[in-house]
Amino acid sequence: QKEVEQNSGPLSVPEGAIASLNCTYSDRGSQSFFWYRQYSGKSPELIMFIYSNGDKEDGRFTAQLNKASQYVSLLIRDSQPSDSATYLCAVTGANSKLTFGKGITLSVRP
Amino acid sequence: NAGVTQTPKFQVLKTGQSMTLQCAQDMNHNSMYWYRQDPGMGLRLIYYSASEGTTDKGEVPNGYNVSRLNKREFSLRLESAAPSQTSVYFCASSVEAWDQPQHFGDGTRLSIL
Repeated sequence: QKEVEQNSGPLSVPEGAIASLNCTYSDRGSQSFFWYRQYSGKSPELIMFIYSNGDKEDGRFTAQLNKASQYVSLLIRDSQPSDSATYLCAVTGANSKLTFGKGITLSVRP
Repeated sequence: NAGVTQTPKFQVLKTGQSMTLQCAQDMNHNSMYWYRQDPGMGLRLIYYSASEGTTDKGEVPNGYNVSRLNKREFSLRLESAAPSQTSVYFCASSVEAWDQPQHFGDGTRLSIL
């Protein structure tokens, strides 16, 4: 079983819609969870991090963590074409190493 | 405010050549990391340095060596480059290891012929 899984996508949403990106992880001892955005040909850029169960909001972005079900989500409200990128989920496991998912590509249609 | 600086940005090598990728951060971070990113494989950790004076292997260390020169600098060396090492290499740093957000450099695009 892969440690951090993201649906391969791509995910396509119309401009103004809510984009929902999901990530599951296998290590029940995981404590820290991160979402990175990566534009084509660029480096990963941190968007959100979350440590506790529940929701964390920052502008149009909301991270949701459910440790019992072992998933973390990223919601992007009022999606814009500039949000088109690959989104990487990363999880720090009980062994204290950070593992990245393979990413999901989001396309926002004007 | 440079953040994490990687040099060079692009490099083409022949099989068997050696080279060192340089990384420096100006954020006073304790921990630094080297990743490679390949299509369909995601980001994979090569080596990391949790603090100045320490280095440890990551998921894919074979064929690489690292040096934590000081708190700011963490270099990655390919002793005898192989075509399988063609990749995009990212250096990252964080305040402390693992639980803190990592900040990435712009990457080095390395091709080995």
